[in-house]
Amino acid sequence: GAGVSQSPSNKVTEKGKDVELRCDPISGHTALYWYRQSLGQGLEFLIYFQGNSAPDKSGLPSDRFSAERTGGSVSTLTIQRTQQEDSAVYLCASSLARRNQPQHFGDGTRLSIL
Amino acid sequence: GQNIDQPTEMTATEGAIVQINCTYQTSGFNGLFWYQQHAGEAPTFLSYNVLDGLEEKGRFSSFLSRSKGYSYLLLKELQMKDSASYLCAVRSTGGGNKLTFGTGTQLKVEL
Repeated sequence: GAGVSQSPSNKVTEKGKDVELRCDPISGHTALYWYRQSLGQGLEFLIYFQGNSAPDKSGLPSDRFSAERTGGSVSTLTIQRTQQEDSAVYLCASSLARRNQPQHFGDGTRLSIL
Repeated sequence: GQNIDQPTEMTATEGAIVQINCTYQTSGFNGLFWYQQHAGEAPTFLSYNVLDGLEEKGRFSSFLSRSKGYSYLLLKELQMKDSASYLCAVRSTGGGNKLTFGTGTQLKVEL
């Protein structure tokens, strides 16, 4: 079966532009997570969706960041008015809801802000 | 808040054994995961510990001591392909399933 799919794999854009990053989770996974990984840093939690519950947005660094998950499947992470410090690899993961189930990661979107 | 510490880099010899340590501080522990990440690739799941003790899975084992806030990943019979970053991640109570990651340990396996 297919793993977590993210698109685009690379995105280069100018400072101030908006970007949308897409994540297709593994079929049947009710939980979906966004993280970002900057050079030399660990993965930083951004947002977490679980079923129909309200998302946990506690990791979003500013109100320029938002995410949606439509129909309990595909998710889009949107960054408005991008800044150079937004440059990072944005990773999406999905999992089953049970406690001991691992998160399965996509290959990420490498975002570069010029 | 949470704090997770791992060594930044380690070097080991092909065929040898290496132990990668992880210490953590969290307000409510609810599981620890180890992931492997090759450069430019997605992290892949290696192991999960929630109770004290050793979990063995082939060449890889992971140990947990909750009272000490300590875990280690043990890699046996090292192969060149084991050169990668190893990420320790902790889940806390009240946080759903989100994980807090350490910065990772870059392991280099040499001949």
